[in-house]
Amino acid sequence: QVQLVQSGAEVKKPGASVKVSCKASGYIFTNYGISWVRQAPGQGLEWMGWISAHEGNTDYLQRFQGRVTMTKDTSTSTAYMELRSLRSDDTAVYYCAQGVYNGAWGQGTLVTVSS
Amino acid sequence: DIQMTQSPSSLSASVGDTVTITCRASQDIIYYLAWFQQRPGEAPKSLIYGASSLQSGVPSKFSGSGSGTDFTLTISGLQPEDFATYYCLQYSSYPRTFGQGTKVEIK
Repeated sequence: QVQLVQSGAEVKKPGASVKVSCKASGYIFTNYGISWVRQAPGQGLEWMGWISAHEGNTDYLQRFQGRVTMTKDTSTSTAYMELRSLRSDDTAVYYCAQGVYNGAWGQGTLVTVSS
Repeated sequence: DIQMTQSPSSLSASVGDTVTITCRASQDIIYYLAWFQQRPGEAPKSLIYGASSLQSGVPSKFSGSGSGTDFTLTISGLQPEDFATYYCLQYSSYPRTFGQGTKVEIK
């Protein structure tokens, strides 16, 4: 079955960077893009961006431009999301999703930004 | 960016009830709309895509309708496991945007 398994929880200080991984299995990795969605505590879902698992082209939400980089490693069927210059309001659960509108989701990775 | 407005933001219902949630897009998204269910502490789960196509494995108690700018999600015969937060998502254009969510609570 399709599975997306994300890396574990992270605690970071303001100004640091975090890189979350998302390992896919159960389907042909290059057939679907990977979206990244985050959810701050008690808040709704926010789409951050998308990477084509085939060609690697990306589309980021404007307000993350310059702070986020989404990459993929086809050899290991793994996608990555790096967020830099972390602030306290980046504290959230970060999800990866196969495609976005009808695919599987990862279990989420809690990133806590605190001094 | 396309704004997605869900209503209501929350509702109370009883087991067995039928509820309807609406989602309005700020511009025409044709039928590029999906619905998700999220239970506390869990990842979102896809219910419907293409405005009305049921995701594989999702029970037929969930149905979606609409096109253009106005969409609805109907849940019939509410069961305890259906009490959750529901989100719409437009995927007509980038950036993808979610509605703010509708929390369905037990009355």
